[in-house]
Amino acid sequence: AQSVTQLGSHVSVSEGALVLLRCNYSSSVPPYLFWYVQYPNQGLQLLLKYTSAATLVKGINGFEAEFKKSETSFHLTKPSAHMSDAAEYFCAVSERAAGNKLTFGGGTRVLVKP
Amino acid sequence: GAGVSQSPSNKVTEKGKDVELRCDPISGHTALYWYRQSLGQGLEFLIYFQGNSAPDKSGLPSDRFSAERTGGSVSTLTIQRTQQEDSAVYLCASSRTGLETQYFGPGTRLLVL
Repeated sequence: AQSVTQLGSHVSVSEGALVLLRCNYSSSVPPYLFWYVQYPNQGLQLLLKYTSAATLVKGINGFEAEFKKSETSFHLTKPSAHMSDAAEYFCAVSERAAGNKLTFGGGTRVLVKP
Repeated sequence: GAGVSQSPSNKVTEKGKDVELRCDPISGHTALYWYRQSLGQGLEFLIYFQGNSAPDKSGLPSDRFSAERTGGSVSTLTIQRTQQEDSAVYLCASSRTGLETQYFGPGTRLLVL
């Protein structure tokens, strides 16, 4: 069975400051890992994904995440927050053998202060 | 090209009524997924279709929930005898092969009164 834990349901950052969203996973097989973003009243948009290639993954809008197997982590970062980054972020894990159905973390809502 | 579309965007129904939610996947995508997003349970998997294979129904919360996918394209999620706890946003996603990125629709917001 897979599971995902996101530390912090709400994060507040100042514009221009580092964004760090934490994600830890549990999986019995090598996982695929994802970060999705959800803007108000919209569906989920893929930010980036890890599929067993490079451990440092770069995504859209300046976000990146690093897969650390020893720590079972896949934290999301962005060096400088922008007002448009205010949204909810979801970390997810999937197993290829299970049709890649996604198991999501609880989500982290990001507030960006001017 | 067109993304995943869902209809209706909002649905208000009375407890005990049946509802049907529709998903149009991206053309050519063989895999289709339904998820539910609710305040109490977060985002959870419901059901997965891949080509002509039997669907993976392991996430359906009760036998009041069912889904079908006709002609390998459009899917309908049906909830019978709706309950207030069914109130949630129902999200559909599709993937080209089931091993690739899932693209999500905007969701259907269901409110059961």
